[in-house]
Amino acid sequence: QKEVEQNSGPLSVPEGAIASLNCTYSDRGSQSFFWYRQYSGKSPELIMFIYSNGDKEDGRFTAQLNKASQYVSLLIRDSQPSDSATYLCAVNGQGAQKLVFGQGTRLTINP
Amino acid sequence: DTGVSQDPRHKITKRGQNVTFRCDPISEHNRLYWYRQTLGQGPEFLTYFQNEAQLEKSRLLSDRFSAERPKGSFSTLEIQRTEQGDSAMYLCASSFLAGGLGEQFFGPGTRLTVL
Repeated sequence: QKEVEQNSGPLSVPEGAIASLNCTYSDRGSQSFFWYRQYSGKSPELIMFIYSNGDKEDGRFTAQLNKASQYVSLLIRDSQPSDSATYLCAVNGQGAQKLVFGQGTRLTINP
Repeated sequence: DTGVSQDPRHKITKRGQNVTFRCDPISEHNRLYWYRQTLGQGPEFLTYFQNEAQLEKSRLLSDRFSAERPKGSFSTLEIQRTEQGDSAMYLCASSFLAGGLGEQFFGPGTRLTVL
């Protein structure tokens, strides 16, 4: 079982709709959770982080964390073509400072 | 621009050659990380430093790989006797740990191609 799992996609969403990206993790001691956006050929860019159960909103982005279910999600409202990218979920494990990444979900926003 | 910088951005080498990459973190950041990413995969952790101390190394970091951060500022990653399987994007990230958990910010990466 992989430590961090994401559906690799591709996930196709019409412009203006809500894109929902999901991630599960195996280490119950995980403390912090991150979403990175990665355009093709570029490096990952941090867009959201969440430490506590519940929702965290930042502009069009909402991160959701459910530690009991070991589940993290990212919602992107009013999706734009510029949101088309690979979204990486990363988890900081218990007592460790390294990030463990999922394989990423490729999101395409269709005009 | 005060982000993480990496040099070179691209490196093409022949199998068996040694290569060295440099990373300059965000100036006030005390932690520096190296990751490797291959096509279609998420980044994989290699090693990290807090100031000049190397605190953790991954099993992925074979004895052909060595990393240093001699003065707690920039870091180098050297790969000796490169193999075709070393072809990947090598990513550096930095963070500032002060009570919080320290979000990591990535540099642009060094893309290595081993022929």
